Order: sequence, then C-alpha cells, then structure tokens
Amino acid sequence: GAGVSQSPRYKVTKRGQDVALRCDPISGHVSLYWYRQALGQGPEFLTYFNYEAQQDKSGLPNDRFSAERPEGSISTLTIQRTEQRDSAMYRCASSAGQGGTNTEAFFGQGTRLTVV
Amino acid sequence: AQRVTQPEKLLSVFKGAPVELKCNYSYSGSPELFWYVQYSRQRLQLLLRHISRESIKGFTADLNKGETSFHLKKPFAQEEDSAMYYCALKTGGFKTIFGAGTRLFVKA
Repeated sequence: GAGVSQSPRYKVTKRGQDVALRCDPISGHVSLYWYRQALGQGPEFLTYFNYEAQQDKSGLPNDRFSAERPEGSISTLTIQRTEQRDSAMYRCASSAGQGGTNTEAFFGQGTRLTVV
Repeated sequence: AQRVTQPEKLLSVFKGAPVELKCNYSYSGSPELFWYVQYSRQRLQLLLRHISRESIKGFTADLNKGETSFHLKKPFAQEEDSAMYYCALKTGGFKTIFGAGTRLFVKA
C-alpha cells in the first residue's frame, strides 16, 4: 500500500465490550508504534515493536490494553472491557529503521474510538 | 521528567506576517527534536527535525540547548500553512513525546 493503513476509521462501542484496532504498516518497515491522542492533546506513546518483538510497552495505561505484531507486519491493539475514558484517536506509525536517528515515522489516518 | 511544552494552543497571524510557534522541552539526555504537522483531513506528518538543519516549506527551527527550546519560525506566513503543529522529543531511541500542539491560522 501507499502508506500506513488503519482500520476501522471509526469505532463506536458500548462500555464493557472488547475492541481490536488494526494497523497495516508500510511494507518492509521494521518499526511500528502505537499512540493515543485525547482531544486537545498531542499523541501519547503506547507501545513500540521492532519486527515482531514488543520492545517497549511502558505507555500502555493498564492491563486492559495489549498489542501484538505476530509476523512483524500487521499489528493489533486490543482494549478489553472498554471504558468511556478510553475514547480517543488511536494512531499507528511505522518507520524503516530500528528506532534510531534519521528514521522518519509515517502515520496512519488513525482510528477514532468512542465508548458509550 | 521528560516533557514538551507548547504554550500556545492557537496562533492567528495575517498572510505575509512572520510566525513563530514556541516549543520548550525538558530532558536530561541529548535531545532529538522534531516538528510534525497535520493539515486539515490529512495525516500527521514530519515537517522537520533538528539534526537535519533544513528548511521545509520555508520553516526553520533551531535547537537552543541553553534555553531548552526548539521554536518553529517562518518569515512570511502563507494561508496554506494553516494547520496543527506538534513539537516532539525523541527519547530512548524510539519513544517520542509530543507537545499538546498549536493550531496556526493564517488569515488572508
């Protein structure tokens, strides 16, 4: 594909339901990042993958949040037992390098999650 | 604590006027700083990074370690510059901390 693809673009779910957000990075990109962006705020780091290895998950707010990238390509961010405070834009980005310098991150369009 | 501060949520200037979007950071290590931009209905994208020392779309940003700042400047604003601008600090090799963003509105 031409860029990072995220699906769905919009998701409305009821409180207590589980949701899975998908990210399809640019082909061949080694690094994959998940961010969460609340209204009026900048993106907040959630987790980072180097190929299939989740090298940093320090930004995941609690154990209801998890992410995987089993084959080093597509990644899924899962939120279990959603709460209203989980409502936000969830952004995925990928880069060709392994998180070092001179590695531009390309962002997807984001998934707007609304928990009602 | 690692932090990026953008003190202005909204900046409105007239076309042709100079513009400066402020960014201050807090980080004990050697900082790697970026400016990202999001135009209406488009993706968040990289505008420039301090290590490249480049000018993109007429914008420049200089890292001032003494003042811990990385302000974004353009001498003559254009209407197409209207967008949301985020200053970002890269830490630990891959973790990036973003500021809250400044919406720039360039009036005709």
